[in-house]
Amino acid sequence: EDQVTQSPEALRLQEGESSSLNCSYTVSGLRGLFWYRQDPGKGPEFLFTLYSAGEEKEKERLKATLTKKESFLHITAPKPEDSATYLCAVRWVLTQGGSEKLVFGKGTKLTVNP
Amino acid sequence: NAGVMQNPRHLVRRRGQEARLRCSPMKGHSHVYWYRQLPEEGLKFMVYLQKENIIDESGMPKERFSAEFPKEGPSILRIQQVVRGDSAAYFCASSLERGVTYGYTFGSGTRLTVV
Repeated sequence: EDQVTQSPEALRLQEGESSSLNCSYTVSGLRGLFWYRQDPGKGPEFLFTLYSAGEEKEKERLKATLTKKESFLHITAPKPEDSATYLCAVRWVLTQGGSEKLVFGKGTKLTVNP
Repeated sequence: NAGVMQNPRHLVRRRGQEARLRCSPMKGHSHVYWYRQLPEEGLKFMVYLQKENIIDESGMPKERFSAEFPKEGPSILRIQQVVRGDSAAYFCASSLERGVTYGYTFGSGTRLTVV
């Protein structure tokens, strides 16, 4: 089955200290890689979808990139409100039968201290 | 335009009781997905439903768990004879169609505690 591994498990940054989160995956034909943000007690909030190696997406202080084997979520000059768990998922599709699902990594818990 | 609505937000059940979790998808969405998040674990797929049809239930435990998405009303995830290991956060997501490119919209979840 497809595997998604995120690292590090937890990351503490000072406000303004840029860094990157990693998501490595093994899939038989990528049909989309998703990044979500999850705050405590809430559901995942959609951030980005990437489909092909070399693709990049940006949103405020976040930038997601994709290679053939991994994706990075770059956080530039983070603020305390960026503290959350960031989840990576790949979309798995059953060619025949119409089924699909997201396979998630365990997430990276990011804490940004003021 | 309300998002995906799940209720209750918190549910406490004694071992052996039944738990019913409800999910109302976003307006116009006819595809519903249920995921379970255990402590220290990632989100795990359980079941994918369209109106009146179960498309894929490969992530559902073989016993005690069932799901439905009727023509009218919310999707229901039902857990019979709950055990302590069922304690988890259960999330529902919906999409307008299959093969979405903008991601699935998740609800805030139901946190089930079995005592």
